Amino acid sequence: LAKTTQPISMDSYEGQEVNITCSHNNIATNDYITWYQQFPSQGPRFIIQGYKTKVTNEVASLFIPADRKSSTLSLPRVSLSDTAVYYCLVGYGGATNKLIFGTGTLLAVQP
Amino acid sequence: EPEVTQTPSHQVTQMGQEVILRCVPISNHLYFYWYRQILGQKVEFLVSFYNNEISEKSEIFDDQFSVERPDGSNFTLKIRSTKLEDSAMYFCASSEDLGLAGEKGNEQFFGPGTRLTVL
Repeated sequence: LAKTTQPISMDSYEGQEVNITCSHNNIATNDYITWYQQFPSQGPRFIIQGYKTKVTNEVASLFIPADRKSSTLSLPRVSLSDTAVYYCLVGYGGATNKLIFGTGTLLAVQP
Repeated sequence: EPEVTQTPSHQVTQMGQEVILRCVPISNHLYFYWYRQILGQKVEFLVSFYNNEISEKSEIFDDQFSVERPDGSNFTLKIRSTKLEDSAMYFCASSEDLGLAGEKGNEQFFGPGTRLTVL
């Protein structure tokens, strides 16, 4: 499974767009990139998943450059309730579906 | 929206005692998982379960741990003889199927967790 590197923490203000970048230099051809969100004392929650280019859903966008060695989670107009830990995971579903979490990025949104 | 539920929300036990953590996965899901998170640390995979047998387990999941799907709805994690270091949040998760990552079935839905405190 590919190792990921992301900032330990980020600060933002309400209404701003937040971009969290994850590096995954040894991503394999079959690997997908998935982001989860975790609030304190709650289970992780799936945000978005992609393979290449750009994916958008109702809560976030995921930008993946052509070489796929990094990806950026973009949260538009964050609010206080977006304060959480965000995890970047890289791996292939296939025959195994275990999720390997890193330390994540603690996003602190201030008023 | 369907969700994974877990009971109890908090379990306090004495070292050496057996505990059973219970989970009700989303009803049409076929794959079930247990993860744990020690306070202040990252979420760690314990075990995955499919078709009434363990698919994969981590080094943490030693002989003290076992999982079972005793009926059509519950999925349990048993710790036979708890140790102090078993104190953690335990999360159950489920997914529709493995499929290919990138398809909807790959998404894992997590429960709210059970906080296990071993004294």
